[in-house]
Amino acid sequence: EVQLVESGGGLVQPGGSLRLSCAASGFTFSSYWMHWVRQAPGKGLVWVSRINGDGSSISYADSVKGRFTISRDNAKNTLYLQMNSLRAEDTAVYYCGAAAGRNWFDPWGQGTLVTVSS
Amino acid sequence: EIVMTQSPATLSVSPGERATLSCRASQFVSTNLAWYQQKPGQAPRLLIYGASTRATGIPVRFSGSGSGTEFTLTINSLQSEDFAVYYCQQYNNWPPWTFGQGTKVEIK
Repeated sequence: EVQLVESGGGLVQPGGSLRLSCAASGFTFSSYWMHWVRQAPGKGLVWVSRINGDGSSISYADSVKGRFTISRDNAKNTLYLQMNSLRAEDTAVYYCGAAAGRNWFDPWGQGTLVTVSS
Repeated sequence: EIVMTQSPATLSVSPGERATLSCRASQFVSTNLAWYQQKPGQAPRLLIYGASTRATGIPVRFSGSGSGTEFTLTINSLQSEDFAVYYCQQYNNWPPWTFGQGTKVEIK
């Protein structure tokens, strides 16, 4: 079964850090671009970051550039998102998604909630 | 950045009727457009890619059309499980990959 499972979310104070993980199974992880997408409470989907199959090409949304770092470990079939200098506006459910190249996102993980609050 | 605009924001439809959702791109995206369905508390699910190709397991009552900047998702004979929020997304020009703001299909 093709599956993505996120973990690592939680409550963090403004200015704090958190690392999210996304464990993949059921497909050839290293062949897929991987993305992080977030959704603030009651809002729509917003793309955050993307990494290609071997980790050599990375992109970020302007809103997180310089604060978030995406990475992957193909030996562990796991995607990561290191989030530093967190702000209240980073509060959201974070989803990981797989893409066959520059394509649509499928599958998606179930999401992990990040709450930034004092 | 390509801005995706969906209309209407909310669509009230009776079960068994047809729903027509629109998505407009601010720039040409060819047929590099996907549609996703999201139910409360769940992750998005891919419905359509390439503007008109149904994803694996998606019922035939879901159909997509359009190219360039104008796209449509049609849901024929709405079932109870179809009431959800639908998002379009372009993957032609990136980064960033951009989504529409969503259309909520609710029971009339």
